[in-house]
Amino acid sequence: KQEVTQIPAALSVPEGENLVLNCSFTDSAIYNLQWFRQDPGKGLTSLLLIQSSQREQTSGRLNASLDKSSGRSTLYIAASQPGDSATYLCAVTGNTPLVFGKGTRLSVIA
Amino acid sequence: GAGVSQTPSNKVTEKGKYVELRCDPISGHTALYWYRQSLGQGPEFLIYFQGTGAADDSGLPNDRFFAVRPEGSVSTLKIQRTERGDSAVYLCASSSSGRADTQYFGPGTRLTVL
Repeated sequence: KQEVTQIPAALSVPEGENLVLNCSFTDSAIYNLQWFRQDPGKGLTSLLLIQSSQREQTSGRLNASLDKSSGRSTLYIAASQPGDSATYLCAVTGNTPLVFGKGTRLSVIA
Repeated sequence: GAGVSQTPSNKVTEKGKYVELRCDPISGHTALYWYRQSLGQGPEFLIYFQGTGAADDSGLPNDRFFAVRPEGSVSTLKIQRTERGDSAVYLCASSSSGRADTQYFGPGTRLTVL
């Protein structure tokens, strides 16, 4: 059974810092990995999708990498802003459509 | 264009009652998914539709939960004899063709069972 773990569970950084969020998964037989953002009381917003054949994807200040063989992904956020404060969720699609981690709660302090 | 919409946004019911939650996917999306999210947890998969049929219902917790998508667009999640443990946010998502595509989520329905 696929399990997804995200470290750290919570992170607080000053504005302007670069930061890395980590995600690991136990079964490397995946179609893709997605990173989502969730604001309090809201649904999920897709940030990046990496297909299993890809190594990384970039969108603006976000860069996500995937190492399928080791079961790891990282989300890099450059020059963090207070508006980046949210919970970031990692999810993998394999035999089950999207298995999620519990998320990393990010606070960017102005 | 319009995103995924879900109604109602909030639903409060009493233990033992029946509830229906509705999802309108993005127009033209053939795949539709239901998830359940408890406080402090990531969403948990319930069921996946491809067109009108349930391609994977392995996440439904028991036979009190049922979902339909009769015309391949709108879907309804039905919960019979609700229990307090059913309280959660129920999220719906859609994707253009299948599980390899980006999933777009609705705002969710917060269900509270008293």
